[in-house]
Amino acid sequence: AQRVTQPEKLLSVFKGAPVELKCNYSYSGSPELFWYVQYSRQRLQLLLRHISRESIKGFTADLNKGETSFHLKKPFAQEEDSAMYYCALRGGSGTYKYIFGTGTRLKVLA
Amino acid sequence: DSGVTQTPKHLITATGQRVTLRCSPRSGDLSVYWYQQSLDQGLQFLIQYYNGEERAKGNILERFSAQQFPDLHSELNLSSLELGDSALYFCASSVDVVTGELFFGEGSRLTVL
Repeated sequence: AQRVTQPEKLLSVFKGAPVELKCNYSYSGSPELFWYVQYSRQRLQLLLRHISRESIKGFTADLNKGETSFHLKKPFAQEEDSAMYYCALRGGSGTYKYIFGTGTRLKVLA
Repeated sequence: DSGVTQTPKHLITATGQRVTLRCSPRSGDLSVYWYQQSLDQGLQFLIQYYNGEERAKGNILERFSAQQFPDLHSELNLSSLELGDSALYFCASSVDVVTGELFFGEGSRLTVL
């Protein structure tokens, strides 16, 4: 079964501090992993995907198949990073179920 | 605005009633996804359609049904409503089932009294 776990509901860090939002997944095949973000009063939107292996707004995420993790990291948090972050997994095998975690609220304190 | 449009934005109804939530995907997007977000819950995947056909099903209750029409808009029907059905219902669309990126609507907030 597909499952995405985000263990932290809330993460508070000070501006300039490093950030790591945790995401663990369960999937028997080769999944695609994504991070979505929802800023205040905005729609949920894609932040990055593991296939792209890119850095968006200073955030990176590496897929670790051994630990079944896809943690989101940023070396220096900014106040504008405060938002709700969701980790998502899309399976394959013709089903393309797109499963989201429960989300982590990131608060960056001045 | 050619983004994902959901109507109504807010809906208040009573237990036992039936409601229909509507979603218009982005222009050109063939795939539509429905999610339910209850208090303190993540986005629970309900169902996915691609070009009018059901492609994937999540934990969708039997009291709920959905369909995607030839013009690609989708409707989620919720019947015999219970208090626990109160939630934010999101629709998302994507170009196809391969691309991966979902584009979300603003959601329809359903309150069952």
